[in-house]
Amino acid sequence: EVQLVQSGAEVKKPGESLKISCKGSGYSFTIYWIAWVRQMPGKGLEWMGMIYPGDSDTRYSPSFQGQVTISADKSISTAYLQWSSLKASDTAMYYCARLPGTYQAPDYWGQGTLVTVSS
Amino acid sequence: EIVLTQSPGTLSLSPGERATLSCRASQSVSSKYLAWYQQKPGQAPRLLIYGASSRATGIPDRFSGSGSGTDFTLTISRLEPEDFAVYYCQQYGSSPYTFGQGTKLEIK
Repeated sequence: EVQLVQSGAEVKKPGESLKISCKGSGYSFTIYWIAWVRQMPGKGLEWMGMIYPGDSDTRYSPSFQGQVTISADKSISTAYLQWSSLKASDTAMYYCARLPGTYQAPDYWGQGTLVTVSS
Repeated sequence: EIVLTQSPGTLSLSPGERATLSCRASQSVSSKYLAWYQQKPGQAPRLLIYGASSRATGIPDRFSGSGSGTDFTLTISRLEPEDFAVYYCQQYGSSPYTFGQGTKLEIK
């Protein structure tokens, strides 16, 4: 069974750093893209970027380039999304999702990680 | 960046009725790289349709997708109580892979 299991909810202060994770199982992690999607409270879905764990090819949406870092450790089938300095506006639910190929729709999604940034 | 505009913003219908949701792109979507998702409160999105018209695994046949170029439609032929949710379209033919703003399907 394909599963993407994300790390738990986080509460952070502005200016702090954070790294959340997404662990894949039940499939060959290295040959599927992993994407990250943001959903701010009460709002829609926003595409942040994606990574190919096999060679760490990473593509960012221009809106998120320089704001976050996407990475992966294929040895433990885990992808990451990290911030070096959080802002209150980073408060959101973050989902990871698997893409069967470069031009494929995400078919499996993680359960989401809620990040709350508040002083 | 391709902008997707969904209409209507909210659709109020009764169980058993037919729902028609629209997604219009600011430029042509390559090779029908258009997907539809369903999202219920507190849940992750669920893939319904990919390639504009192909149903994902396990999706009932009351869900159908159509369209090409800049105009796409999701149709739910006969609404079941569990279909009331928010629906998003997404294009994945041109980076960044953008989403529409969503259509909320609510019980009338």
